[in-house]
Amino acid sequence: ETGVTQSPTHLIKTRGQQVTLRCSSQSGHNTVSWYQQALGQGPQFIFQYYREEENGRGNFPPRFSGLQFPNYSSELNVNALELDDSALYLCASSLGHHPGGADTQYFGPGTRLTVL
Amino acid sequence: GIQVEQSPPDLILQEGANSTLRCNFSDSVNNLQWFHQNPWGQLINLFYIPSGTKQNGRLSATTVATERYSLLYISSSQTTDSGVYFCAVWETSGSRLTFGEGTQLTVNP
Repeated sequence: ETGVTQSPTHLIKTRGQQVTLRCSSQSGHNTVSWYQQALGQGPQFIFQYYREEENGRGNFPPRFSGLQFPNYSSELNVNALELDDSALYLCASSLGHHPGGADTQYFGPGTRLTVL
Repeated sequence: GIQVEQSPPDLILQEGANSTLRCNFSDSVNNLQWFHQNPWGQLINLFYIPSGTKQNGRLSATTVATERYSLLYISSSQTTDSGVYFCAVWETSGSRLTFGEGTQLTVNP
């Protein structure tokens, strides 16, 4: 086990709705990254937060947004859900010696989102 | 951005066999990790190996950074080794892991 937790485990939403996913990083880690994994593909980077600031973003529209809190836990918010948003959402935490540092990434168990 | 290619895409083995999985990447990297994704979706860290060779039990990995590839060796495979193996790299100018498409390994009893 990595010590990274995510909630909820599963979620079913309908098109147009909004969703919030949560991640608690491993103790001592100040960097959280979010990834989207569609069925049969590798995870795709959404964005990273380092000490509560966004520090890099992948090719995702603005309706994907996030927050990192002072305790370094994080939220991923997705507005105006589309069918293609159905995926496994993974968060990863790392020690983050500095922004963008290539530290070992530890992944949580994921949240499986289904959009109907 | 950096490209990551894994081969083979699928691999079927009998229990006890050995295998080699390959990861090629298109640019310099600061970090390379190998993961095993179990049927429930959990990505399990196998190795953090930007260069050199590491071993952990029946698994070992080698990264030759100058030639931009990494190999994951699985010896005496077991049915519990089944799942998808991902290679992911962190390019020197980046702020994220870029994953390959994975190798689906099936180990039959």
